[in-house]
Amino acid sequence: QLHLQESGPGLVKPSETLSLTCSVSGVSISSNTYLWGWIRQPPGKGLEWIGNIYPGGSSSYGGTTSYDPSLKSRVTISIDTSDNQFSLRLTSVTAADTAIYYCASLFLPRNAVANWFDPWGQGTLVTVSS
Amino acid sequence: QSALTQPASVSGSPGQSITISCTGTINDVGSYHLVSWYQQHPGKAPKVIIYEVFKRPSGVSARFSGSKSGNTASLTISGLQAEDEADYYCCSYAGGFIFGTGTRVSVL
Repeated sequence: QLHLQESGPGLVKPSETLSLTCSVSGVSISSNTYLWGWIRQPPGKGLEWIGNIYPGGSSSYGGTTSYDPSLKSRVTISIDTSDNQFSLRLTSVTAADTAIYYCASLFLPRNAVANWFDPWGQGTLVTVSS
Repeated sequence: QSALTQPASVSGSPGQSITISCTGTINDVGSYHLVSWYQQHPGKAPKVIIYEVFKRPSGVSARFSGSKSGNTASLTISGLQAEDEADYYCCSYAGGFIFGTGTRVSVL
């Protein structure tokens, strides 16, 4: 059974880099039937897609990435196959980046597009404050 | 990319049916048959209840159903129950992903 768990600092200073890890169990992160994604939710607000990574393809990040245009200049998602996990880096953070950060998987149907997030990790709250 | 538009709140009595709309544009909901819906109880992670407009994952109640017409997708909850009280979000594939603004469902 696929299970995801986020980990990382709960407090980050403004202008610094937010770094989170999502540990995956139940399937190899190198599997070609899943994509891996990050979504965030500011306190009391809605869900925001951050980006995805697919293990296939050649990339220094371990896979092919796709990011929300509004965050693209600050975001990096990468895969660590040795620890079966994937990571999120968000640079130059401000108070607006305070949110619960969720990792999730996307199943890749045959000859189709991965288009729904399931399952999700429990989420981790990251606060940006000095 | 702007968030998909959902009503802020919808309410109903136990046993009734309610429908939540999710309005996008020709560039997202209107172009792809790839809309999913998520249920989020307070303090919990979202859970998918509908994918690819109308498909239900294993274990999700048949009281949840989805549809789409033009640029608007809809989620219907039939036979409303107290446990359905939660926030609901739509999401459309559009190259990347766009979530809806969210709808708080209250059971009166």
